[in-house]
Amino acid sequence: DVVMTQSPLSLPVTLGQPASISCRSGQSLVHSDGNTYFNWFQQRPGQSPRRLIYRVSNRDSGVPDRFSGSGSGTDFTLKISRVEAEDVGVYYCVQGTHWPYTFGQGTRLEIK
Amino acid sequence: QVQVVQSGTEVKEPGASVKVSCKASGYTFSGNYIHWVRQAPGQGLEWMGWINLNSGDTNYAQKFQGRVTMTRDTSVSTAYMELSRLTSDDTAVYYCATTFWGGSNYWGQGTLVTVSS
Repeated sequence: DVVMTQSPLSLPVTLGQPASISCRSGQSLVHSDGNTYFNWFQQRPGQSPRRLIYRVSNRDSGVPDRFSGSGSGTDFTLKISRVEAEDVGVYYCVQGTHWPYTFGQGTRLEIK
Repeated sequence: QVQVVQSGTEVKEPGASVKVSCKASGYTFSGNYIHWVRQAPGQGLEWMGWINLNSGDTNYAQKFQGRVTMTRDTSVSTAYMELSRLTSDDTAVYYCATTFWGGSNYWGQGTLVTVSS
């Protein structure tokens, strides 16, 4: 299985400051069809996960534009330009290029 | 407006089976997928497999092969996930979710399955 390694695992951030989460995969996530099947999910406390970014950099409808995704191959990043209180939760990366789909361990974002 | 509603909390004894349902309203069932993901208490997300709602084709993570069965009933826009030979390690919240890689992604509210004697 493809291992997805997130860092940091804990991310204390001051309100209004930027934040960045890294996700590295054990293999390239470029599929033979040319697409990269890599997403970011947010899970707020007590809630179901919510997709933020799909296929590396496409922001989901309703997701604030302070969230952005980038990367290629094996290295991917989620950036929050200015953290707000509602951003508290756990962030997961997931790949779907290789079978089975695998998630990262999660990064817990908290407000300092 | 799309709503994905799962069945309620289950408590099962070790060795039993559980069947969780996932009903999607306002969602085009045909031509899409339902994925199942679980989350053990205090742990991360674990993908279990998917079902093609049109054809009924399934794809399961090897870890669950032989124990999981995913089905769907298009007449009532409902997908099902059955897990057999339960152990305490299967205690988790089970989620269904729509298409992962494009289009719109919706999640159910989760179903807590507790395995205990």
